[in-house]
Amino acid sequence: EDKVVQSPLSLVVHEGDTVTLNCSYEVTNFRSLLWYKQEKKAPTFLFMLTSSGIEKKSGRLSSILDKKELFSILNITATQTGDSAIYLCAVEASRAGNNRKLIWGLGTSLAVNP
Amino acid sequence: NAGVTQTPKFQVLKTGQSMTLQCAQDMNHEYMSWYRQDPGMGLRLIHYSVGAGITDQGEVPNGYNVSRSTTEDFPLRLLSAAPSQTSVYFCASSRPNRVGYNEQFFGPGTRLTVL
Repeated sequence: EDKVVQSPLSLVVHEGDTVTLNCSYEVTNFRSLLWYKQEKKAPTFLFMLTSSGIEKKSGRLSSILDKKELFSILNITATQTGDSAIYLCAVEASRAGNNRKLIWGLGTSLAVNP
Repeated sequence: NAGVTQTPKFQVLKTGQSMTLQCAQDMNHEYMSWYRQDPGMGLRLIHYSVGAGITDQGEVPNGYNVSRSTTEDFPLRLLSAAPSQTSVYFCASSRPNRVGYNEQFFGPGTRLTVL
């Protein structure tokens, strides 16, 4: 059965700390891994990763994928209170008939204290 | 662009009532989907559509119907509401890229309570 597991489930840090969020997966016919940030409302897209070892960066956030060990990490450096959110990981897989399936993790809840 | 819009934002129903959650997008996206999000369960796909006139079931379709008569609109209908359908519902849309339909844009959500 396909699964995406995120760790830790929750994390509390102080402003300025660096955090690493983990996402491991067991999915048949992997196509891509995605990271989303969910604040009070809807998830918003952060990164899409398809190849191992290529880091994606956006400001203080970066992410990398390891397709051999089946995991990805999301790093946030110099955290700010505005980084407080749930970070969701999802894996897209191919299915029969040109279909796709997204398998979601439960998320990591990050709280950044001033 | 308004992006993905959902109405209503909040709704309270009695068991057995029916209602339609509306979803519209103005980005000309082919792919649209409905999720429900429950504590400890994550996002679960209810139904999705890869284009006008085409819909398919996700992992939790029971009790819900969808239709896709236009590219823009993808309403979700609850046939006979049950307390187990109390949840936050998100509509999402995306267009295909070279990898798939994965960069999804989410609506603001509808918080539904069934008494």
